[in-house]
Amino acid sequence: GNSVTQMEGPVTLSEEAFLTINCTYTATGYPSLFWYVQYPGEGLQLLLKATKADDKGSNKGFEATYRKETTSFHLEKGSVQVSDSAVYFCALGAGSARQLTFGSGTQLTVLP
Amino acid sequence: DAGVIQSPRHEVTEMGQEVTLRCKPISGHNSLFWYRQTMMRGLELLIYFNNNVPIDDSGMPEDRFSAKMPNASFSTLKIQPSEPRDSAVYFCASTLGGGGTDTQYFGPGTRLTVL
Repeated sequence: GNSVTQMEGPVTLSEEAFLTINCTYTATGYPSLFWYVQYPGEGLQLLLKATKADDKGSNKGFEATYRKETTSFHLEKGSVQVSDSAVYFCALGAGSARQLTFGSGTQLTVLP
Repeated sequence: DAGVIQSPRHEVTEMGQEVTLRCKPISGHNSLFWYRQTMMRGLELLIYFNNNVPIDDSGMPEDRFSAKMPNASFSTLKIQPSEPRDSAVYFCASTLGGGGTDTQYFGPGTRLTVL
């Protein structure tokens, strides 16, 4: 079946540091890949997505590239801000299945 | 444009009581999902509907949980009787279309505490 494995947290960084959160997946066929972000007290919201191999999703300075050869979709940001403190979820959607498969989430805290 | 609306935002109840959570999806969306989030188990899909029909309820923990979608703009998740282990944040999400490439839009969640 489908599964998503993401980097264990929590992750604590200083402002302006470089961020990487690793995500790898197992799926049949050609899934779409997503990063969702959950700010404290809120629901999840889409951060970025990629629907085919070698696509790069980007938003708010975050980027992730769909790597089929390594079955990965790592999230990166060159310079994090305090306001980026949140929980980040990697997810995949496969074929006709409407539901998404989520990773366990990675808590990010950015210190000033 | 209004997003997914959930009510109540917070619910505190006593063990054995009935709890009803409500969700209004984004207008025009045809798929609706109910999730439960806890520290121990993370984000779990409970059930999802397509065009108001339940498609997969394999994530519903037990018979105490039931969900309905009487029309395209309203869904409920009911727990009867509630137990302390049901304490969690419950999210509703909706999406346009029916494929795995579609973005899910989440509501703000209902934080349920069962004493």
